[in-house]
Amino acid sequence: AQRVTQPEKLLSVFKGAPVELKCNYSYSGSPELFWYVQYSRQRLQLLLRHISRESIKGFTADLNKGETSFHLKKPFAQEEDSAMYYCALSEAAGNKLTFGGGTRVLVKP
Amino acid sequence: SAVISQKPSRDICQRGTSLTIQCQVDSQVTMMFWYRQQPGQSLTLIATANQGSEATYESGFVIDKFPISRPNLTFSTLTVSNMSPEDSSIYLCSVDGRGSRGTQYFGPGTRLLVL
Repeated sequence: AQRVTQPEKLLSVFKGAPVELKCNYSYSGSPELFWYVQYSRQRLQLLLRHISRESIKGFTADLNKGETSFHLKKPFAQEEDSAMYYCALSEAAGNKLTFGGGTRVLVKP
Repeated sequence: SAVISQKPSRDICQRGTSLTIQCQVDSQVTMMFWYRQQPGQSLTLIATANQGSEATYESGFVIDKFPISRPNLTFSTLTVSNMSPEDSSIYLCSVDGRGSRGTQYFGPGTRLLVL
C-alpha cells in the first residue's frame, strides 16, 4: 500500500532563511506527487505538482524516484509562508490522494 | 477551479446521534471525496462518491457508519451515524480537478465535536 511520510511536524525558520520540507513516499507504481498548503483560517489548497515542474510562491519540489522523495524547498522564507504543508500522492489509477502527516512551518521575523 | 461549500461549518452532538454533512459544488464534477481529519492528524480518505453509483469506501470505513449520497453532479452528503467521541474530527469534502489527476479542490470543512 502507498504511504507518505513527512518526518518533521514543525519547522521554525527565520525570515530570509532557506526552508526545506521533507517528504518520502512508498508506492510500487508510478505516482504523482503534490504539495498542498493550508494557511491560517483558509481551506486546503494545491501548492504545486511534480509534473508541472513549476515554481509557485518561490517554492520548488523535485521528484527523486531513486530516493522516493519529493522535498519542498524555498531559498528565502517569508512570514506569509507560515502554514501547514501536506505532501500527497496520487495513484496511477484514479484520483485518490494519500496524504502525509503534515509539517507546520513557522517563519519568524 | 471549483467553489465548494459545506454545511454545517461546525456542530456539537451527543453520542448515539447522527449528523449529515452537506457538500455543494458550483459546477458539475465527476468525483467527490470525503476525508476525515482527526485532532492533530492528517487527512484520511473515507470514501469516493461518483454520481449514480455506490460510494467506494477505504479500508477501515463502512457504509453503515458513514453512509454517503450523491444524487447529482453538484451535491453529496456524508452521514456520521451513531456517533461516539472518537468521531470528533474535521470532515472535508473535495472534488477532482477536471483533467488533472490528483488535483483536488477542498471545502472549508465541518468541525464536529461529539460529547
